Amino acid sequence: GNSVTQMEGPVTLSEEAFLTINCTYTATGYPSLFWYVQYPGEGLQLLLKATKADDKGSNKGFEATYRKETTSFHLEKGSVQVSDSAVYFCALSNSNSGYALNFGKGTSLLVTP
Amino acid sequence: DTAVSQTPKYLVTQMGNDKSIKCEQNLGHDTMYWYKQDSKKFLKIMFSYNNKELIINETVPNRFSPKSPDKAHLNLHINSLELGDSAVYFCASSQQGNNEQFFGPGTRLTVL
Repeated sequence: GNSVTQMEGPVTLSEEAFLTINCTYTATGYPSLFWYVQYPGEGLQLLLKATKADDKGSNKGFEATYRKETTSFHLEKGSVQVSDSAVYFCALSNSNSGYALNFGKGTSLLVTP
Repeated sequence: DTAVSQTPKYLVTQMGNDKSIKCEQNLGHDTMYWYKQDSKKFLKIMFSYNNKELIINETVPNRFSPKSPDKAHLNLHINSLELGDSAVYFCASSQQGNNEQFFGPGTRLTVL
């Protein structure tokens, strides 16, 4: 079945530091891959996505590249801001899941001034 | 305009009660979902409906019954509430396929 593994948090960084949150997946075929973000007390927002191998998703300075050979979709940002403090979820969907999202456990990020 | 809305936002109730959570989307999507987020923030799919038909029913107690009166609505009714049902429930919608899902703001259910 499908599964997503992402690094455990919490991650604490100083403002302007480089961010990497690792995500690997197990799935049959060619799933679509997503990063969702949940700000405190809010619902989930799509941050970025990639639908095929070697695609790079990007948004708000965040990037992730769909790596089929390593089954990974790591999230990166060159310079984080305090406003990036949130919980980040890696997720996949495919026809096996009826296109429902299979989520990782989430990584909490705290950026300090 | 709110794309995916849920009511109520907070729900506090006693064990054994029956309650409903409503979800509406105005995006014209044909597929809607219910997810449960537990106290450790883990998100898991519960149900999915496409064009008012149930297409995913994960291992959820049959005390939970989704109902989709039309494509824009997916409600969740829960009978005989238990302490373990306390969680945040999120509704989402999408066009069928590997497309972006849009999430509602969540309903925080607390069972006392």
